[in-house]
Amino acid sequence: IAGITQAPTSQILAAGRRMTLRCTQDMRHNAMYWYRQDLGLGLRLIHYSNTAGTTGKGEVPDGYSVSRANTDDFPLTLASAVPSQTSVYFCASSSGGGTGELFFGEGSRLTVL
Amino acid sequence: GQNIDQPTEMTATEGAIVQINCTYQTSGFNGLFWYQQHAGEAPTFLSYNVLDGLEEKGRFSSFLSRSKGYSYLLLKELQMKDSASYLCAVRDSNYQLIWGAGTKLIIKP
Repeated sequence: IAGITQAPTSQILAAGRRMTLRCTQDMRHNAMYWYRQDLGLGLRLIHYSNTAGTTGKGEVPDGYSVSRANTDDFPLTLASAVPSQTSVYFCASSSGGGTGELFFGEGSRLTVL
Repeated sequence: GQNIDQPTEMTATEGAIVQINCTYQTSGFNGLFWYQQHAGEAPTFLSYNVLDGLEEKGRFSSFLSRSKGYSYLLLKELQMKDSASYLCAVRDSNYQLIWGAGTKLIIKP
């Protein structure tokens, strides 16, 4: 089934460690996004990419970086994890056409100790 | 600033009807979305409104009033599987999505 795959599903990480969350889509969507979801808050955009080769900062980009070398992959890197980065991370994509609805991956639950 | 407001939690009975409200204040408007999110799962798209009025899709309907900055999601003939969080999101003038915190809907038998 076509869609978005995220890895890992869950990870416990020591503070100060580097971590990359992987995201791959096979829908050939141009736009991709990384969100974090915390209890009581709406989804918050970390970084986005409107097309391969370009990236942009969202609402909460500090401490995170992304790259978009090709259409399918959009990894999110935490250079030096801190406990406030404990969250559920969702990768999403959009074709940009029609309603522009988002398709989400299953999420990556990250705990930073 | 930009803001989306929706109730934190609602409870309804199986077979009944429930209306989940969403009010918004954003920099511009380019459409309003409703997503459903079951616990521990990813959000999935339910509906999209860009013009005023009611959009019906099976048991689910979504209404929009742009002049009032208001939308609601109406769920009819509630089923236990409708227990989930419902997320309201508005696309602003920069085509960025602004998300509400979600409404947790609890369905009781």
